[in-house]
Amino acid sequence: GQQLNQSPQSMFIQEGEDVSMNCTSSSIFNTWLWYKQDPGEGPVLLIALYKAGELTSNGRLTAQFGITRKDSFLNISASIPSDVGIYFCAGRRFIIQGAQKLVFGQGTRLTINP
Amino acid sequence: DGGITQSPKYLFRKEGQNVTLSCEQNLNHDAMYWYRQDPGQGLRLIYYSQIVNDFQKGDIAEGYSVSREKKESFPLTVTSAQKNPTAFYLCASSGGTGLGGANVLTFGAGSRLTVL
Repeated sequence: GQQLNQSPQSMFIQEGEDVSMNCTSSSIFNTWLWYKQDPGEGPVLLIALYKAGELTSNGRLTAQFGITRKDSFLNISASIPSDVGIYFCAGRRFIIQGAQKLVFGQGTRLTINP
Repeated sequence: DGGITQSPKYLFRKEGQNVTLSCEQNLNHDAMYWYRQDPGQGLRLIYYSQIVNDFQKGDIAEGYSVSREKKESFPLTVTSAQKNPTAFYLCASSGGTGLGGANVLTFGAGSRLTVL
């Protein structure tokens, strides 16, 4: 099955630094989603983007839906220790009757040095 | 609180044995999903169900089976035919219909299966 190209695969930063990660695809998606996963837990939705060109913020997080509908980025400003985890992008397509298919990136593992 | 409950959290299995992972949701969602996660990879869809008594294969259904007898429950059986069953398994659900707005996937906390 298709997977998105997410980069970087890992990041090692100092607390307080800004973070940027992105996802690209060879095909179009109707929705882009960004999830965060803590070790041993399920992913939790951070931001959902529904329109091409849309720029959405959630606290220190900002994400954009690329104008071509084939890419998205996520920025985290002023990182703090609880930002540590794995961040996944996902492109969404609807199947039928409300069921949906998500195509995931490989994840970006964020490590923060205090 | 509404959510998705997966059990067991950790499971060990000998080769050749079938094992069933439980997934229960009280979100009143129609659709449920099973994903598999391997280190360094994104989540891959195993099976999904849009409605009770109906389910469809995802991208990596071989060696797995599911049932959907109740709206709240979507158990996954990892059979002995699955060649590399050691993985982290995630159940998810989504509610509502239509193309836009909310109706995003909500995930459970996962079950880690290790084959000895």
